[in-house]
Amino acid sequence: EPEVTQTPSHQVTQMGQEVILRCVPISNHLYFYWYRQILGQKVEFLVSFYNNEISEKSEIFDDQFSVERPDGSNFTLKIRSTKLEDSAMYFCASSELRGANTGELFFGEGSRLTVL
Amino acid sequence: DQQVKQNSPSLSVQEGRISILNCDYTNSMFDYFLWYKKYPAEGPTFLISISSIKDKNEDGRFTVFLNKSAKHLSLHIVPSQPGDSAVYFCAAMYGGATNKLIFGTGTLLAVQP
Repeated sequence: EPEVTQTPSHQVTQMGQEVILRCVPISNHLYFYWYRQILGQKVEFLVSFYNNEISEKSEIFDDQFSVERPDGSNFTLKIRSTKLEDSAMYFCASSELRGANTGELFFGEGSRLTVL
Repeated sequence: DQQVKQNSPSLSVQEGRISILNCDYTNSMFDYFLWYKKYPAEGPTFLISISSIKDKNEDGRFTVFLNKSAKHLSLHIVPSQPGDSAVYFCAAMYGGATNKLIFGTGTLLAVQP
C-alpha cells in the first residue's frame, strides 16, 4: 500500500539552527501539506502546497518557515532559525484531490523535532 | 480558537460493546467532517467521513452521525475491539478548494479485553 514517508524520525537541534524535514508523498498525489502537533495539543495545519506553490498557510507559518518540492518527489519543510516553541511532531500529508468530499489526507509517521 | 472540540480526553469500553466518541464544532461553514485514528509513533490514519448534507455514514463497524442543528457529530464503533485502542481525532473542513483540516484535541479510546 502506498504511503507517505518522512525523515528524520527524530531530530534534536540547538535553538537558532536551521532544520530541514523531508517527506516523500504518495507518487500520484498532487497536493501536499505540513501539520504539526505540539506535545499534548491538537494537530495544527501549517501549509498546503500545489503546483509548486503555497496554496494556503496558517498564521503559524511565518517567515521562519518555507516549503519546497526540489526534485519532483521530495517535499521539504525548512525552519530557518529554530525556537524552543518549534519543538513538536511534524506531519507531512498528501492527497490526490482537494476540496470537500475528497478530503482524505494520507499522513506520514511524523518527524519529532526537539529544540534545545 | 477551538472551532472543533472533543470534550472527552479519554474513554474506556469493554471489548464487544459500543464506543461512542463525540465532537462539537462552532463554525456552521464547515462542509465536511472526518475522523482520524492515531496510534503512538504513527501519523493519523483516515477512518470515515461525512458530508454536511448527510446525517449518517456507515462503513463496517464504524458509523458517523451528524446533527447540524446541534453542531455535533459522533463516531460509533460496534463492536469495539482491543485493536481499536488509539487516539481518535475529529476534523472539519470548509467547502471549496481547500483541504485544510481543523482538528479537535482527540479522545484516547481504550478497549478492554
